[in-house]
Amino acid sequence: GENVEQHPSTLSVQEGDSAVIKCTYSDSASNYFPWYKQELGKRPQLIIDIRSNVGEKKDQRIAVTLNKTAKHFSLHITETQPEDSAVYFCAASISAGNQFYFGTGTSLTVIP
Amino acid sequence: SQTIHQWPATLVQPVGSPLSLECTVEGTSNPNLYWYRQAAGRGLQLLFYSVGIGQISSEVPQNLSASRPQDRQFILSSKKLLLSDSGFYLCAWRPTGAGGYTFGSGTRLTVV
Repeated sequence: GENVEQHPSTLSVQEGDSAVIKCTYSDSASNYFPWYKQELGKRPQLIIDIRSNVGEKKDQRIAVTLNKTAKHFSLHITETQPEDSAVYFCAASISAGNQFYFGTGTSLTVIP
Repeated sequence: SQTIHQWPATLVQPVGSPLSLECTVEGTSNPNLYWYRQAAGRGLQLLFYSVGIGQISSEVPQNLSASRPQDRQFILSSKKLLLSDSGFYLCAWRPTGAGGYTFGSGTRLTVV
C-alpha cells in the first residue's frame, strides 16, 4: 500500500518568515494530495489540495508544489502569522479510491 | 449544503464498558464514510471505511466494530473498552470518487 512520510515533525518560525513542510509518497498511482490543518482540540480542516496534473497551486499565503517524478510534494506558507500555529497533515490518495494515507503531521509554531 | 454531525463530543467510560459513537451526514447521498482515531499528539489512524449500506472495511484489527445501517449513518462500537481505546475519534465523509475529506467535530474518549 501507499506510504506517506512527512518532515519535519516540529517546526518553529518567527512571525513573518516562511514555513515549508515536505512529504514523500511511494505509490505512483496516487494522484490527489490534500493538506489539512488541525488546531489544538479541533478537527482537521482541508486548507489546500493538488492533483497530479498540476505542478503548483496557490491560495493567498499558502502554496503546494508537486514533483511526480520524485514523488514528493510540499506545503509553503509565506508571511506566517501566529494563527498559522497548528498541526499540518499531508495525505495522498487515488482520486477514486476509498481512503487517504496521511503523513504523521508537523507541529508548526509561529513565534510572535 | 453538506454537513456532518458527530456525537457525543466527550465521553469518559470505564474499562470493560460498551461504546457507541454515531455519525450522520446531511445534504448528500451515497457518501464514503470513515472512522479515524487520533491518540494524543499522534497522527490519524484509519479504523473503518464504508462505501455503502452494510459495507464495512476494517483497516486495523482491534476490539472495535463499525456499522452502516443507513446511507448517511455510520456507527462505531465496542463491546468492552480497553484503556488503549482512549483517543480522539473522528468521523469523515467524502463524495464518491472526488475531493477531500470533511471531518466531523470529533469525540474525545477517555477510558478509565
